[in-house]
Amino acid sequence: QQPVQSPQAVILREGEDAVINCSSSKALYSVHWYRQKHGEAPVFLMILLKGGEQKGHDKISASFNEKKQQSSLYLTASQLSYSGTYFCGTAPSNTGKLIFGQGTTLQVKP
Amino acid sequence: DSGVTQTPKHLITATGQRVTLRCSPRSGDLSVYWYQQSLDQGLQFLIQYYNGEERAKGNILERFSAQQFPDLHSELNLSSLELGDSALYFCASSKGVGLAGNEQFFGPGTRLTVL
Repeated sequence: QQPVQSPQAVILREGEDAVINCSSSKALYSVHWYRQKHGEAPVFLMILLKGGEQKGHDKISASFNEKKQQSSLYLTASQLSYSGTYFCGTAPSNTGKLIFGQGTTLQVKP
Repeated sequence: DSGVTQTPKHLITATGQRVTLRCSPRSGDLSVYWYQQSLDQGLQFLIQYYNGEERAKGNILERFSAQQFPDLHSELNLSSLELGDSALYFCASSKGVGLAGNEQFFGPGTRLTVL
């Protein structure tokens, strides 16, 4: 079952903050966040594991509510380079299968 | 540059044909994943190989098959191509077999156009 991301799109000015949400109807073992710029490959941002362990980017933070099967990605003091499409990928167990959401397009303007 | 290479970059072919996409993982990575990305379907997981063995499968069509060779490169074979198979195909690699704590590194993709 594909996770649902919200919002679908957001436009910010440089320096503003944004939150992207990812919600699943299934129990999750891990949530993975990737950013894809137009015409490029997805790039890893964060992994959040059941139990609280995290691995990822210095300037981007995220949370994982296991009970609600939800994750949020927090982008603070946004920069022009943050523009792109953000995907969350979810896994119900520790396998190689990730189910990605439909993506959230973020545009940061000067 | 992620260290994952994919060839060819672009492929244009006709319906009913068969094509092979190739992927070389990052040095030291044993897992290879294949994804299909189209405008209306987003990023769809197809299949994972770890050290030559199939380990996870997504909604991969029966017309599609993959394998991972002893040198760890992987090939995705698409046959009896249909217009709807037109998409960007990504290969990714990671160190381990499970994704907990294992980030995936994506290649630049192969854009397949079926006419």
